[in-house]
This record gives sequence, structure tokens and C-alpha cells, in this order.
Amino acid sequence: GQQVMQIPQYQHVQEGEDFTTYCNSSTTLSNIQWYKQRPGGHPVFLIQLVKSGEVKKQKRLTFQFGEAKKNSSLHITATQTTDVGTYFCVYSGAGSYQLTFGKGTKLSVIP
Amino acid sequence: DSGVTQTPKHLITATGQRVTLRCSPRSGDLSVYWYQQSLDQGLQFLIHYYNGEERAKGNILERFSAQQFPDLHSELNLSSLELGDSALYFCASSVVEGSGNTIYFGEGSWLTVV
Repeated sequence: GQQVMQIPQYQHVQEGEDFTTYCNSSTTLSNIQWYKQRPGGHPVFLIQLVKSGEVKKQKRLTFQFGEAKKNSSLHITATQTTDVGTYFCVYSGAGSYQLTFGKGTKLSVIP
Repeated sequence: DSGVTQTPKHLITATGQRVTLRCSPRSGDLSVYWYQQSLDQGLQFLIHYYNGEERAKGNILERFSAQQFPDLHSELNLSSLELGDSALYFCASSVVEGSGNTIYFGEGSWLTVV
């Protein structure tokens, strides 16, 4: 079956440092989404990537979809305390209605 | 505010009991999803309904059931509750179904089984 690994599970950074989380799939993904969940909150949609090699930016956040559509990354430049939370990649198998969340990467930012 | 409403926000109940969690999707959304999030755990997909029909089933226990009503609200029924069922249960909705659709989450229902 489809296996998607999200790494790292935890990341502690000093404020101002960069942060990256990765999702790696054993099979080709039709698309991938990224969500953020603040502590005590609910997941909130950030972005969707569909095309091979796609790169999208949102201010300090850069999202990439691999050429083979088997991996994706979220990079945050110069982290701020407001970036604290858990970042999830979300995917579904071909023809599937099931949206599966990765295990998430919990980001802590030390001021 | 995502527009997805979940009730109750908090619930404490005893083992062996049965509870019902309710979800009203965003106006116009036909798809409803249920997820379970345990402490320090990721989001486990439970079930997905589209316009009243079950579309996908994830790791949902036989003690759990759900349905989506004609007015599109959904209920998740949890019975014979065990301590391990304590978790945050999220409902989410989207306009259509399938991959590629943004899903909007409610605030969640905190269930504590004692």
C-alpha cells in the first residue's frame, strides 16, 4: 500500500533560523496539500501542489513538489514565534476519496 | 472561523457509555470527514461522507458509526467507550469530494473517557 513518511517528527529552532519538513512517498501522488495546526487549534489549509516540480511561495514559506511527484517539502525562512505548530502533509491515493494526513512535524521556535 | 461547527466542544463520560458528536459543515459543502487525534498523535482518518453517502472508511472501530443526514449535518456515534477512545475528534468539510479539495476543519470535540 501507499506509504508516506513525514520527517522530522520534531524540530526545535532558534528564532531566525530556517526550518524544513519533508514528505516522502513510496508511490506517485496526484497532489499534495500542506496544513498547519497551532497548539490547541485545528488544522488550517496552507497550500496545494499539483504539478511535477511545482514551487509555490507564501511570504517566508516555500513549498515544493518533486519532479517525480513522490516527495514534497515545506521550507520556512527566518522562523518567527508565530510559526510554532505542527505542519502536516496531506495526500490521497489515485482514485481514492480518503485524505490521509502525514504524522506531522512539530516545530518549536525558541525566542 | 472555518464555518464548520462541532458540538459539544468538551465531553466527559464513563467507560461503557455511548456519545454522539455532531457536525454542521460549511454552507454549501457536501463532503464531511471525521478524524481522530489522540495526544501527541497525528490525525487518523475515520470516515468520509458525500451528500449522504459513505465514500471512504479509514481506521474506524466497529464500535463507532457515523451518518450524514439530508440537511448535510453529520453525527459520529461512539459506543462502549474505552479509556483509549479519549481524543480530540475533528469534523471537516469540503465542497466536493476526492483529492485536491481543500478541507475546512471545525474546532473539534474533546472527548474524555474516565
